[in-house]
Amino acid sequence: AQSVTQLGSHVSVSEGALVLLRCNYSSSVPPYLFWYVQYPNQGLQLLLKYTTGATLVKGINGFEAEFKKSETSFHLTKPSAHMSDAAEYFCAVSKSDTGRRALTFGSGTRLQVQP
Amino acid sequence: EAGVTQFPSHSVIEKGQTVTLRCDPISGHDNLYWYRRVMGKEIKFLLHFVKESKQDESGMPNNRFLAERTGGTYSTLKVQPAELEDSGVYFCASSQENWGNEQYFGPGTRLTVT
Repeated sequence: AQSVTQLGSHVSVSEGALVLLRCNYSSSVPPYLFWYVQYPNQGLQLLLKYTTGATLVKGINGFEAEFKKSETSFHLTKPSAHMSDAAEYFCAVSKSDTGRRALTFGSGTRLQVQP
Repeated sequence: EAGVTQFPSHSVIEKGQTVTLRCDPISGHDNLYWYRRVMGKEIKFLLHFVKESKQDESGMPNNRFLAERTGGTYSTLKVQPAELEDSGVYFCASSQENWGNEQYFGPGTRLTVT
């Protein structure tokens, strides 16, 4: 079975500060990894994904994440937070080797950006 | 290109009543998924259609939930009879038949059972 742990249900940063949202996963097979963002009153939007190849993945809005197999981690970072980054962020994993495409999500991290 | 749409956006029903949620995937997407987020918990997978066939329904909580996808286009999720614990946000997602499993989500239907 797969699982995802997101450390910190709420994270608060100052505008211009580094954003670091933590995600650890467990998977019995090589995973596909995703970060989604949900802005208020909207659906989930894909920020970035890791499937194969380069372990540092760049996404939209200046976010990036690094797949570290040895640490089973896929932390999301952004060098400088903007007020518009305030939202809830979800890390998710799926299997890469079977037809089972279900995403397993973490419990989400709500990012607050202080002016 | 239109995204995934869901109807209604909100639904408030009484315990014991029936509710039907609808999802229209992105045109051309054979894969359609339903997920649910109960208040304060993580988003959980319910089921996966490939065209009109149920590929994986391992997440369906019980037989009060019935999902259909006639003709391989839009899908409906019926809850009958609704219970208090069914309250939450129901998300639909769709994806193309490709490796990488990038799923596009709709805005969700917020269901409140009173």
